[in-house]
Amino acid sequence: GAVVSQHPSWVICKSGTSVKIECRSLDFQATTMFWYRQFPKQSLMLMATSNEGSKATYEQGVEKDKFLINHASLTLSTLTVTSAHPEDSSFYICSALDRVVGQPQHFGDGTRLSIL
Amino acid sequence: DQQVKQNSPSLSVQEGRISILNCDYTNSMFDYFLWYKKYPAEGPTFLISISSIKDKNEDGRFTVFLNKSAKHLSLHIVPSQPGDSAVYFCSLFGNEKLTFGTGTRLTIIP
Repeated sequence: GAVVSQHPSWVICKSGTSVKIECRSLDFQATTMFWYRQFPKQSLMLMATSNEGSKATYEQGVEKDKFLINHASLTLSTLTVTSAHPEDSSFYICSALDRVVGQPQHFGDGTRLSIL
Repeated sequence: DQQVKQNSPSLSVQEGRISILNCDYTNSMFDYFLWYKKYPAEGPTFLISISSIKDKNEDGRFTVFLNKSAKHLSLHIVPSQPGDSAVYFCSLFGNEKLTFGTGTRLTIIP
């Protein structure tokens, strides 16, 4: 069964709306989670690394004020796309690092965000 | 600058034959190499990994080979099955980050 749950799976909303996406680890505690973005027919691009209890680390070119990340517990990280615009429409995916295994093996099923 | 390259965007293989997916990388500072399988509108599913200190890892129909001198990684699937049709991403994990290749769409022909 799924060990990382991502919600919602699909969001359609108007431009200017803020959208929150949740990523939960179900069977293990994830001190580190990752947020990715995928455009059609392209690779997954890392946006930020989310560490429990501390500020997220953003990749170059990713606006931290635009993409707010909160990792308040060992099983939940959230990504909020603030004041979303059509260019933010994309497929957002989270993953969790399983430190027992030592590899990031578990991904959520992704969230398709469509901004009208 | 793409650190991980999958030069074949697509590959078609007859059912029962061997599928070979290739991946080249530029940066050597990685701990693990991982292969993921992805269907449209879903998150990647982990398939198999290999530590940077090994050159081969096998799990059922899947075998991953690592050639560090050539900076080359490959995934062998044998025998190929129709359910293997998907996009395959090779990825490198190092510095607590995953870097993905551009993916190869594998189609298994019945």
